[in-house]
This record gives sequence, C-alpha cells and structure tokens, in this order.
Amino acid sequence: KAGVTQTPRYLIKTRGQQVTLSCSPISGHRSVSWYQQTPGQGLQFLFEYFSETQRNKGNFPGRFSGRQFSNSRSEMNVSTLELGDSALYLCASSLGDRDGLETQYFGPGTRLLVL
Amino acid sequence: GDSVTQMEGPVTLSEEAFLTINCTYTATGYPSLFWYVQYPGEGLQLLLKATKADDKGSNKGFEATYRKETTSFHLEKGSVQVSDSAVYFCALSEKWGSQGNLIFGKGTKLSVKP
Repeated sequence: KAGVTQTPRYLIKTRGQQVTLSCSPISGHRSVSWYQQTPGQGLQFLFEYFSETQRNKGNFPGRFSGRQFSNSRSEMNVSTLELGDSALYLCASSLGDRDGLETQYFGPGTRLLVL
Repeated sequence: GDSVTQMEGPVTLSEEAFLTINCTYTATGYPSLFWYVQYPGEGLQLLLKATKADDKGSNKGFEATYRKETTSFHLEKGSVQVSDSAVYFCALSEKWGSQGNLIFGKGTKLSVKP
C-alpha cells in the first residue's frame, strides 16, 4: 500500500497570505489528523477529520481550518499567515475506529516558511 | 490534562552502547502508548506501541514496557547502531473522546557515533 502523501513538500509565503496544504491518506483509512511541529512547541494536534466531519480539535486559532473530501483526502488551510506559523505540518491517517487506540501513520510533512 | 514527559537530550552514544530513553505520562484513563522515530528531513514512523498495562512493544531491537504503576514507557535497545541516530518521540492516545489526537513528548535526539 502507498503511504500517506502530502503536497507540497515545501512552501514559502509572506505574512498575511493564506496557504492550503493537502494530504492523501493510506487507502482505506478514513481518519486524517493534522499536527504542527515547531522547535519550541514540539508536536501539537490541530484537528482530526473522519467521514468528512471534524471530530476533534486542538487549541489553535480559527485561522487554521481544514476539510475532508468523500475520498478521505484532506486539506488544511491557514489564513492571514503569521511568522509564527512557520513549521512542519504533518498529516497522519488511521482507520478511524471509534475507540481511539489505533495507530496513526504519518506523511513526510509540508515545511512552511513564512517571511 | 493528559501529558507526556520524556528526557530531552541530546543523547550521544557510541555504537553498540545500551540505550534508555525515559518516558512518563499523565492520563485520566487507560491510554495506548507509542514510540515514534523521526529521521532527518522525514515524517514520523511508528517504532512500537502498547495498548494495555504490562504489554511490551518491540521492533528493530527496541523495546518498551507499559508500566501502569509507574506511569512509564521507557524505550530501550541493547546495542545501538549509527543508523539509529534520529529523534524519538513518546506519545499517548486516550481511548474515548480524543480520537486522532496523539499527545507527544518533546522528543529526544539520539546521536550514535561509530
């Protein structure tokens, strides 16, 4: 099976712009989670989508949003970019079992640099 | 809330040395516990996991035992190789109400010298 894929791998944006990142999960996986990784804060959970619905959300401002399509692919959008949004954004997929104990499989990430 | 604390390192070892990376957790329920590894320039790869107390996860010579009494999940390897150089993350996943939400430790950078 192909793994989790993320596009693009690298992005450079300027403050105030918006950006959209894409994630394609492993075939058959219905849950997609997004994480932000920075040197200072480490890995932080953004949100999780399952069957096109946001099922769980972390503590990020409303500038961060996402959606999931019927084929389970997911996009994450950040509006009005700030310098502090520079980070590696990781997507992870899993089957989406309700008990929350299953393994998440991560993509290679999208590295966003905001200038 | 739930949290994971792991030794931050960096940890520098010689090849064939014994490795321990400590990880302790705080959780309200009965979480699953994971170790993920991140090689330079890459995403996270699952190294091993344990879903209940006293379970031992193992993979590629790495082991960790879920200790409920000490709320710990320490990672060990008997003989490290240069190729083990990476950042290691301990993580937990709560059972109910937190689907898709892994809580990570800060990560421990391991460097193995030949």
